[in-house]
Formats: sequence, C-alpha cells, structure tokens
Amino acid sequence: NAGVTQTPKFRVLKTGQSMTLLCAQDMNHEYMYWYRQDPGMGLRLIHYSVGEGTTAKGEVPDGYNVSRLKKQNFLLGLESAAPSQTSVYFCASRRQSTDTQYFGPGTRLTVL
Amino acid sequence: EDQVTQSPEALRLQEGESSSLNCSYTVSGLRGLFWYRQDPGKGPEFLFTLYSAGEEKEKERLKATLTKKESFLHITAPKPEDSATYLCAVQVNNNDMRFGAGTRLTVKP
Repeated sequence: NAGVTQTPKFRVLKTGQSMTLLCAQDMNHEYMYWYRQDPGMGLRLIHYSVGEGTTAKGEVPDGYNVSRLKKQNFLLGLESAAPSQTSVYFCASRRQSTDTQYFGPGTRLTVL
Repeated sequence: EDQVTQSPEALRLQEGESSSLNCSYTVSGLRGLFWYRQDPGKGPEFLFTLYSAGEEKEKERLKATLTKKESFLHITAPKPEDSATYLCAVQVNNNDMRFGAGTRLTVKP
C-alpha cells in the first residue's frame, strides 16, 4: 500500500514550457486535490476532483488544468509555465465518508 | 474572509521543555480543524481532527485542544525527533480547507 505517490519529484522548466504532474493513490479514495506550497504561506488549493471524470476550481486555479480520467490518478497540467508557478506541489486524497486528507511527498518545480 | 493564523512562526525548545503552538481562525462555518506535521522535503502527515469546542485529542507527547476561536497543540517533554513544521488547517466546506503558514519547531538535545 503506497498511499499517495507523485511523479516527478523535481522538475526545472523554462518560461513558456508545458508539463504534467501525476498523482496516483491506491486507497480507492473518491476525492483528490492539488495544492501548492510557497514560503511563508499556507497550502493553497488549485483544483480538486470529487470523482472520476469530474474536476472543480479551488482558490488559485489560473494557469493550471487538471484531468481525472481514472479514479486512482489526478493529473495537473501547466500549459505555459511562468516563474510565478515556481513552488512545491502536493497532491492529496480522501474518502468521501471522512474529512481527513492524506498527502503525497510533493513535486518541487522551478520555472526559470 | 476565512483566515488561519499560526503563532509563533518558529519555536526553539530544549529537550524536555514543554510548550504550546497556537492556531487562531476566523471562518464563516467551521466543519473541522486539522493538525498536520511536515518534515523537510516531505508531505504533510495527519495528526488530529477536532470538530467542536472543548474537544481534545492526544497522541504520544502531543495534545490538541479546540475553542471557538483557536486551537492549541501542546507538546509535553519534547524530544529532538519532534522537530518539524506543524500545520493547522480549517475546513470551511466540503472541499475547501484553509491552511496556516505553519510553526517551525526545533527541539535541541
């Protein structure tokens, strides 16, 4: 039981490049979330999904897109990366019946 | 506006020196308050959930309490392995969780 895993662990992009971050969970959780964490600030919600094929915007969605084609996977895409998107990105998941979110190990992204 | 404020930003303790971390919140409707521990380079690890004022939860040297406006994480006789950043979060609706910036705790032997 690996829990929540994220790929890749680190990535460096140039401004304007695109990339996709992958989150996978093996706990059969219905809900999945993408957050970003910046120094001196709390985790902020980017997008979330309440089930396969559904997504919704969070607090800071601009510049990001997401997809949930399979229940166990949640993808976060950056279409045209900007230096302001330099951050650590965390994925989380939870069961529909509980409030507790379980987090992955994070992806550190640097946009030059 | 929903806000979560944690204090202090950083706390240095000697091993065995008990203390408390504070999380104050202003939210329109509290559905739950969460404490997480985060080690450097890792994701947050769940510690506690509190739902109503007066509720308390304990785990080893940690005890979390909740009032109508704030939560405290009490650390009794801390050890160096308790060094981490402790995050507080409040759930304001089904999928909106607001996090504080965290308290970075260092426990020196």
